[in-house]
Amino acid sequence: NAGVTQTPKFQVLKTGQSMTLQCAQDMNHEYMSWYRQDPGMGLRLIHYSVGAGITDQGEVPNGYNVSRSTTEDFPLRLLSAAPSQTSVYFCASQTLAGANEQYFGPGTRLTVT
Amino acid sequence: KNQVEQSPQSLIILEGKNCTLQCNYTVSPFSNLRWYKQDTGRGPVSLTIMTFSENTKSNGRYTATLDADTKQSSLHITASQLSDSASYICVVTLSGGYNKLIFGAGTRLAVHP
Repeated sequence: NAGVTQTPKFQVLKTGQSMTLQCAQDMNHEYMSWYRQDPGMGLRLIHYSVGAGITDQGEVPNGYNVSRSTTEDFPLRLLSAAPSQTSVYFCASQTLAGANEQYFGPGTRLTVT
Repeated sequence: KNQVEQSPQSLIILEGKNCTLQCNYTVSPFSNLRWYKQDTGRGPVSLTIMTFSENTKSNGRYTATLDADTKQSSLHITASQLSDSASYICVVTLSGGYNKLIFGAGTRLAVHP
């Protein structure tokens, strides 16, 4: 049981480039989400999904796309990277019912120059 | 506005000492309150989850309290160890909708020998 995995661990992009951050979980969780963490701020929700084929926007969705074709995978796409997207990105998953634990991946540190 | 504020921002204590971290929130409607531990370079890991009716919950040397009337929570660490050096994040979940979490900015704890 690997939990939540993310790749890559580090990435440097030039402004305007696109890329996909990968996230996978093997716990059969319905709910998956993407956050960004910036210095001095709490984690902010980018997008989330409550099941395969269902996604919705979080607090800071601009510049990012997601899809959920399977229960296990929830990739985050940066369409045209900007320096403001320099951050650490975390993927998380949990079951939908009740006050249940949310499991986070190890994070992807992204720098946009 | 839904907010979670933590204090202090950072704290240094000596190994073996106790400490208490504070969390005040203005989140409504409230579902539950979580404390996470985040080691440097890693994703957050859940320590405790408390619902409205719970006013204390322990996880080993970590004890969280919740006062839903004053909208305050604390995390008490007993007999600190070097491995307790980390950021501690307070998170409040909104009820209704799909698990919308409001994150505090965290308290960075350093335990020195």
